[in-house]
Amino acid sequence: GAVVSQHPSWVICKSGTSVKIECRSLDFQATTMFWYRQFPKQSLMLMATSNEGSKATYEQGVEKDKFLINHASLTLSTLTVTSAHPEDSSFYICSARDPRGADTQYFGPGTRLTVL
Amino acid sequence: GEDVEQSLFLSVREGDSSVINCTYTDSSSTYLYWYKQEPGAGLQLLTYIFSNMDMKQDQRLTVLLNKKDKHLSLRIADTQTGDSAIYFCAESLGGTASKLTFGTGTRLQVTL
Repeated sequence: GAVVSQHPSWVICKSGTSVKIECRSLDFQATTMFWYRQFPKQSLMLMATSNEGSKATYEQGVEKDKFLINHASLTLSTLTVTSAHPEDSSFYICSARDPRGADTQYFGPGTRLTVL
Repeated sequence: GEDVEQSLFLSVREGDSSVINCTYTDSSSTYLYWYKQEPGAGLQLLTYIFSNMDMKQDQRLTVLLNKKDKHLSLRIADTQTGDSAIYFCAESLGGTASKLTFGTGTRLQVTL
């Protein structure tokens, strides 16, 4: 299957700072990437759909000014959590849609964010 | 609406078969997927089935789809301890910006 990487794998930051998470498709070009959030022992919650060269589409209830998404190339999308607070602590997972397959999304390994 | 339901927990003995079930409500689903998540990791795509198929087999994995009842199942033959993980089913309506709707996840515990 296709490979998607995320960086960093975990990050600890102070309240009020901003954190950037990168998502890369390593062996295919992804015009569409997705950002999810997962709380402990829960399923994935879609935050936004990231489209290369255009603005991201946010799900209802997700603050676009707080979670900035940039999809500047066909292999890279970034999620920036601005002015992070402890309630933003979570596991953030990205996925990239492989256009060659059955609308298949391949997932990154996730980034664990802890805000102190 | 889109609701995807799974049982929370399943325990099986090593060597037995595991069957993980999933029910969904959106009859427009084009693709249905099974993903595996190990602790602290992302999701690994196991297999998928197109909505016009009834069954798909891939080595130890068998996917059954009953579109009439909106029921999807994943059977793992000869379950191993390495199969212990959380399994998510997901549905997609297809299309270029296709979103996945995930099930609640089933934790599979394999005992010796």
